[in-house]
Amino acid sequence: EAQVTQNPRYLITVTGKKLTVTCSQNMNHEYMSWYRQDPGLGLRQIYYSMNVEVTDKGDVPEGYKVSRKEKRNFPLILESPSPNQTSLYFCASSWNPTLPGELFFGEGSRLTVL
Amino acid sequence: AQKVTQAQTEISVVEKEDVTLDCVYETRDTTYYLFWYKQPPSGELVFLIRRNSFDEQNEISGRYSWNFQKSTSSFNFTITASQVVDSAVYFCALIPVSSNTGKLIFGQGTTLQVKP
Repeated sequence: EAQVTQNPRYLITVTGKKLTVTCSQNMNHEYMSWYRQDPGLGLRQIYYSMNVEVTDKGDVPEGYKVSRKEKRNFPLILESPSPNQTSLYFCASSWNPTLPGELFFGEGSRLTVL
Repeated sequence: AQKVTQAQTEISVVEKEDVTLDCVYETRDTTYYLFWYKQPPSGELVFLIRRNSFDEQNEISGRYSWNFQKSTSSFNFTITASQVVDSAVYFCALIPVSSNTGKLIFGQGTTLQVKP
């Protein structure tokens, strides 16, 4: 089954404790991206990756890091989480961002930073 | 500016009513793509439709229909004979082809509540 898998789905952590949200896709997609969803703001892009070893900042990259060492994985790293990073996070992938098709989303990871 | 506006924050209807969700977009690109996604209470994002800027034909899929009007920069979504299972947050989104980032520009979302 074609899917984007995120882990963990739910996490409560404390300020400053490093965490990683993993994202893996099994569709051999070139493009992967992270979004965060906050009430009243819709979804905003954090980082994206056109292909392996190619990553770039989205609209709200502060406080986040990513890596793309393999095509299928695109982890989101919060080196020192803060309460304003409490949010619902989505990983997404697609074939080719320059010919926009359906963006496949993971099920979301709800993060609370105390 | 490249932006999507969903002016309706929340809509509440009674089952079997028709409901239209509005979406207005702004882009300087002549080539762009528009999307609708559904987010049910379980939280995942479900793709509903993609439309490119050169195709202004309206589309119907079962009880769902979409009206794309370039003249008014709108891409409205109508649910006919709404059902309780339609209760969700609906997002309209835009990708201007020139962006080369694959970034979906989302509207703020419209929460639809369908009451039995």
